[in-house]
Amino acid sequence: QSALTQPASVSGSPGQSITISCTGTSSDVGSYNLVSWYQQHPGKAPKLIIYEVSKWPSGVSNRFSGSKSGNTASLTISGLQAEDEADYYCCSYAGNSTWVFGGGTKLTVL
Amino acid sequence: QVQLVQSGAEVKKPGASVKVSCKASGYTFSNYAMHWVRQAPGQRLEWMGWINAGNGNTKYSQKFQGRVTITSDTSASTTYMELTSLRSEDTAVYYCARGPIVMYNWFDPWGQGTLVTVSS
Repeated sequence: QSALTQPASVSGSPGQSITISCTGTSSDVGSYNLVSWYQQHPGKAPKLIIYEVSKWPSGVSNRFSGSKSGNTASLTISGLQAEDEADYYCCSYAGNSTWVFGGGTKLTVL
Repeated sequence: QVQLVQSGAEVKKPGASVKVSCKASGYTFSNYAMHWVRQAPGQRLEWMGWINAGNGNTKYSQKFQGRVTITSDTSASTTYMELTSLRSEDTAVYYCARGPIVMYNWFDPWGQGTLVTVSS
């Protein structure tokens, strides 16, 4: 399986909104509403922030939102805050009990 | 609270094997799956495989098929990931992460990670 495609980096100013895309294929993102997103601060383990394309785990801010169209999923972060600066990874179920992650996107809060 | 605690860092020589453990607490171990994900320095997350802790069924990424074995000890609420024939490219942080047995829709929480360094 090839990794899902994410932009290497995005940036935004505090208070702004940014969107990170995650492009897969008809075998993964396009076939299942089983896309999740993870936030990873440097030196830390990833943290689940969105699951099943657009659902929030308990305790996660609703400034994070997810969507999907065709083979591309998206994560939007609104009202950017300094603590949002991190790496973000998408992940999709790819069928046959396998999963695939994206290449990761580094978010810089200017 | 749900917690996954992994074993400590390892240094191995090329060709050797490593076995990393992941002890779960705060939930019914056999009702969930455990996945293993690795991250080479400065690189992306890479899914390696998973085990259904309820029945012991496993599935591995094609990339690691034949080199990785994931097992679980229900009595100890612990999952193990063994990687054989290590090479320098296997230097990475290895994470365990809990997942549902059905729905396949999330990994949460994650262990703290175990650094495996492969060097001669």
